[in-house]
Amino acid sequence: GESVGLHLPTLSVQEGDNSIINCAYSNSASDYFIWYKQESGKGPQFIIDIRSNMDKRQGQRVTVLLNKTVKHLSLQIAATQPGDSAVYFCAENMGSSNTGKLIFGQGTTLQVKP
Amino acid sequence: NAGVTQTPKFRVLKTGQSMTLLCAQDMNHEYMYWYRQDPGMGLRLIHYSVGEGTTAKGEVPDGYNVSRLKKQNFLLGLESAAPSQTSVYFCASSPRGRVGNEQFFGPGTRLTVL
Repeated sequence: GESVGLHLPTLSVQEGDNSIINCAYSNSASDYFIWYKQESGKGPQFIIDIRSNMDKRQGQRVTVLLNKTVKHLSLQIAATQPGDSAVYFCAENMGSSNTGKLIFGQGTTLQVKP
Repeated sequence: NAGVTQTPKFRVLKTGQSMTLLCAQDMNHEYMYWYRQDPGMGLRLIHYSVGEGTTAKGEVPDGYNVSRLKKQNFLLGLESAAPSQTSVYFCASSPRGRVGNEQFFGPGTRLTVL
C-alpha cells in the first residue's frame, strides 16, 4: 500500500540552530501535504501545509519544501527553540479523494539541546 | 470556542467489555475522523464521516463502530474490547474534505485493555 515515511526517527539539535526534518512519500497522485507537531500528551497541531503545485511555502520560522521529482518533503525550522521539542509528522492527502483522508508518516522526534 | 473535545481522557477496560468514546466539535465542521496512535507510529485512520448521518471505513476499522447522529458529535464504539485495541485515540474535524482544509485534533483518549 501507499506509505509516507520519515528518514530519521530522532533529530537532536542545539538551541538556535536550524532543523531540517525529512519525509518521503510514495503516491505521486498526492496533491496536498501537511506538517503536524505533537507535543507529549497532546493531539497533533497543524504547522504548515503545501499543495502539489508549489515547491516552497514559508510560515513563521518554518519552511516546507516539496520535491515532486523524488517524492520528498522537508520541514525547516529556523532558530530552533526548546519549545520546538516534539514529534513531527508529515501527512499526505491522496489526490482524487474528496474526503480529506490523510496518510501519516511515523514521525520524527526533535530534541532541542539548550 | 473549545475546538475538538474528547471524553473520556483515560480509560481501562477488561477484555470483552464495551465502551464508547465521544468526540465533540463546536466549529460547525462537516468532516470528522477517528484515528489511533500506537507507540512509535503515526496516526492510522479508523473511521470517518463526511457529514451528519454518514460514516465510512478507514484504514483499520475492524473491531470498531461509529455513529454521527449529530453534526457536532462523532462516537467511536468498541463492542468487545481486545488488548490489541490498547492505544491512544484521536478525533479530528475539518470544515470540508477538500485539499487545503486542515484537520483539527482533540487531546486524545488513552485506552488500556487488560
